Amino acid sequence: AQTVTQSQPEMSVQEAETVTLSCTYDTSESDYYLFWYKQPPSRQMILVIRQEAYKQQNATENRFSVNFQKAAKSFSLKISDSQLGDAAMYFCAYRGWETSGSRLTFGEGTQLTVNP
Amino acid sequence: DAGVIQSPRHEVTEMGQEVTLRCKPISGHDYLFWYRQTMMRGLELLIYFNNNVPIDDSGMPEDRFSAKMPNASFSTLKIQPSEPRDSAVYFCASSLWDRGPPYEQYFGPGTRLTVT
Repeated sequence: AQTVTQSQPEMSVQEAETVTLSCTYDTSESDYYLFWYKQPPSRQMILVIRQEAYKQQNATENRFSVNFQKAAKSFSLKISDSQLGDAAMYFCAYRGWETSGSRLTFGEGTQLTVNP
Repeated sequence: DAGVIQSPRHEVTEMGQEVTLRCKPISGHDYLFWYRQTMMRGLELLIYFNNNVPIDDSGMPEDRFSAKMPNASFSTLKIQPSEPRDSAVYFCASSLWDRGPPYEQYFGPGTRLTVT
């Protein structure tokens, strides 16, 4: 079974600084997708960024970028120029292609605090 | 599009009562997912449907839980009888599959269920 691990329960960053959230996963599949979701206090799950495993190029979305290391099964999220609105719980998620169906497997989450 | 719609947003009920949570997926999406979020277990998939047919219900905790999708625009998750340990936030999500990117799931705002 696939597992997703976020080893940082909490992180903090100063406004305008850069922070990196870590995520590792375990899978035997060769083709899959990885996502970062953000959950602010409103509890709405918001997609931040996605990465297809077959793509070598790291995904970027404005201030958000990932460092995808397929061999190491690592998928970290970098937030540049952090803003107060970035404060939220961040979840790393895995979606397989071959055997795991359409389910998303989530990590435990990392609570990000942005200090003014 | 209005996004995934869930109702009610909050539900407080007494132990032993029946609870019905409702979801309207994004129009045109052919996958629908029910997730539960708790502090202890994080985000976990309960069941998902493809074209209104249940595909994987292995995450449904026990027989007290049931889910239906009578048509492409409506799904229910029912708990009967409810217990205090069912207290959680229940999310509905929908997605397209095999139609090219994006592959992500779009989440509703969630229903916060409290069973006293």
